[in-house]
Amino acid sequence: SAVISQKPSRDICQRGTSLTIQCQVDSQVTMMFWYRQQPGQSLTLIATANQGSEATYESGFVIDKFPISRPNLTFSTLTVSNMSPEDSSIYLCSVKTGGGNEQYFGPGTRLTVT
Amino acid sequence: AQRVTQPEKLLSVFKGAPVELKCNYSYSGSPELFWYVQYSRQRLQLLLRHISRESIKGFTADLNKGETSFHLKKPFAQEEDSAMYYCALRTGGGNKLTFGTGTQLKVEL
Repeated sequence: SAVISQKPSRDICQRGTSLTIQCQVDSQVTMMFWYRQQPGQSLTLIATANQGSEATYESGFVIDKFPISRPNLTFSTLTVSNMSPEDSSIYLCSVKTGGGNEQYFGPGTRLTVT
Repeated sequence: AQRVTQPEKLLSVFKGAPVELKCNYSYSGSPELFWYVQYSRQRLQLLLRHISRESIKGFTADLNKGETSFHLKKPFAQEEDSAMYYCALRTGGGNKLTFGTGTQLKVEL
């Protein structure tokens, strides 16, 4: 299994600013992902964080809005840029270990944009 | 495109009653189906996957390709089963999970 921590756990931000969310895993993992869960909705994959190269974004998500870094096999960051109230969501980091098909999820970062 | 449908937002049952959480999917290829659960104030965690054909905490789910369903069942609900349940689909041997909107299960005494 993998233990995932995220910082911050929650934040309230002003419109137009940016927030960087950190994801730390207690072991090296092959795949890291970022999901978004908007109020009352399901989880949606934003992107796959690739170690040493640019992230792979899903349809509807772009690098300028959600830049992602993954400098090593245990850490990744997601930045929510130029925030608007529509960005108010829970952002979750998820990892897949090399051994199997299971994906583990972090506790999430609850973002409120005012 | 793939899609997962959970028709019930909320399901209330009495303790000891059978539970069935519905999940239907749409995907033209060979799917992998999962059930995730989120208890109050806890993170999302895997409950079971169709490949394993296992029973976890008394829950089972059978993949029915003809009906494109993966309903979650438990014969006797317990109070501690109260949680949010998400059905998820992984496609094409890739890594993307597509989630349903979730069903809040409430087990009443």
